[in-house]
Amino acid sequence: EPEVTQTPSHQVTQMGQEVILRCVPISNHLYFYWYRQILGQKVEFLVSFYNNEISEKSEIFDDQFSVERPDGSNFTLKIRSTKLEDSAMYFCASSQAPRVAQYFGPGTRLTVL
Amino acid sequence: KNEVEQSPQNLTAQEGEFITINCSYSVGISALHWLQQHPGGGIVSLFMLSSGKKKHGRLIATINIQEKHSSLHITASHPRDSAVYICAVGNTGTASKLTFGTGTRLQVTL
Repeated sequence: EPEVTQTPSHQVTQMGQEVILRCVPISNHLYFYWYRQILGQKVEFLVSFYNNEISEKSEIFDDQFSVERPDGSNFTLKIRSTKLEDSAMYFCASSQAPRVAQYFGPGTRLTVL
Repeated sequence: KNEVEQSPQNLTAQEGEFITINCSYSVGISALHWLQQHPGGGIVSLFMLSSGKKKHGRLIATINIQEKHSSLHITASHPRDSAVYICAVGNTGTASKLTFGTGTRLQVTL
């Protein structure tokens, strides 16, 4: 069964450093998403992406964040200058269309020291 | 802004018990999702529904649009059902943004 994959599974970085989290969505999906979950808290929407542009973003998704689909398979989330409060589990998801089931990746645990 | 509330927050059941998890939301939605988060953190989509009832194996999800309420039922619960169950809603007027509940932690014991 096709699945969403994410790399790395765990990323440790120093405050102020840039990180890139990578996702490979399901191949025939057109809509891509990033979510985050701070430890012990609820999952939060960050951004959705369709047709090579952001379709929606939350207030969390400020200028420090960017997303890109650099080729036909990868979907990346970049955090330019990480802060301690960026430490969280980041989930990528994809779907064939809006308002249908989304398929989640296993997550990348980001730890900012 | 949609507020999504789940109850109970924690639930312990014995194997074989019938389980109900509730979700309420404050504003009209385009669809409601039930998700399962495993102890390792991975998230699996269980159901997406906008009306009525859906069934998959031992899982049943219902939604009442007028009352802004959904329930997830697990029949004949098993220890492997132990996980966090999360309700998430897609708001009308947005194509894809989901608003999540805090989750219900279910522990099924032998």
